[in-house]
Amino acid sequence: DADVTQTPRNRITKTGKRIMLECSQTKGHDRMYWYRQDPGLGLRLIYYSFDVKDINKGEISDGYSVSRQAQAKFSLSLESAIPNQTALYFCATSGTGNTGELFFGEGSRLTVL
Amino acid sequence: AQSVTQPDIHITVSEGASLELRCNYSYGATPYLFWYVQSPGQGLQLLLKYFSGDTLVQGIKGFEAEFKRSQSSFNLRKPSVHWSDAAEYFCAVGGSGGSYIPTFGRGTSLIVHP
Repeated sequence: DADVTQTPRNRITKTGKRIMLECSQTKGHDRMYWYRQDPGLGLRLIYYSFDVKDINKGEISDGYSVSRQAQAKFSLSLESAIPNQTALYFCATSGTGNTGELFFGEGSRLTVL
Repeated sequence: AQSVTQPDIHITVSEGASLELRCNYSYGATPYLFWYVQSPGQGLQLLLKYFSGDTLVQGIKGFEAEFKRSQSSFNLRKPSVHWSDAAEYFCAVGGSGGSYIPTFGRGTSLIVHP
């Protein structure tokens, strides 16, 4: 089983719908992240969490919210999806060694029609 | 603020040829540097990393990278490319100044011709 698991892997939805992407990890890491990948733009940070009680906005948090339900779970929500949120979303974790090395899930491809 | 530039959007090489992917970074202190690879339909996998010490670092799959502080570069190299190396490659920079949260470049897509 993967150390960082994302569900769903693929989702097609309509404008205005609420969407939740879920991430769970078995690596025992405290730090979790949500990134968005768009062609030609690389990975951009949406939100990050250093522990269960710590939530921080990244560079592109508008239109998104997150919930850290437990050390192992970090969910990303789109309250009212819009077409320009169509992208590949990655969850990642890092340990407390403070190196910045990330461990990624396999991604969730979201299409908003 | 930390940033990464990958000047090449696409690189095309023949199988067996050597490869160099460029990465330039901006960071106010000693950087932590990473190269990740993303195969089609997959997540990102760490190829190699530099934190300190020897400026030539070895990674998985026969890749290496050299940290050159004077040029603010961390270029990725491989002496002989295999068809399975076709993928997207991302350079990233981080460190204590940014709470160790890495910033990624826009990626370089590697195409391998037989």
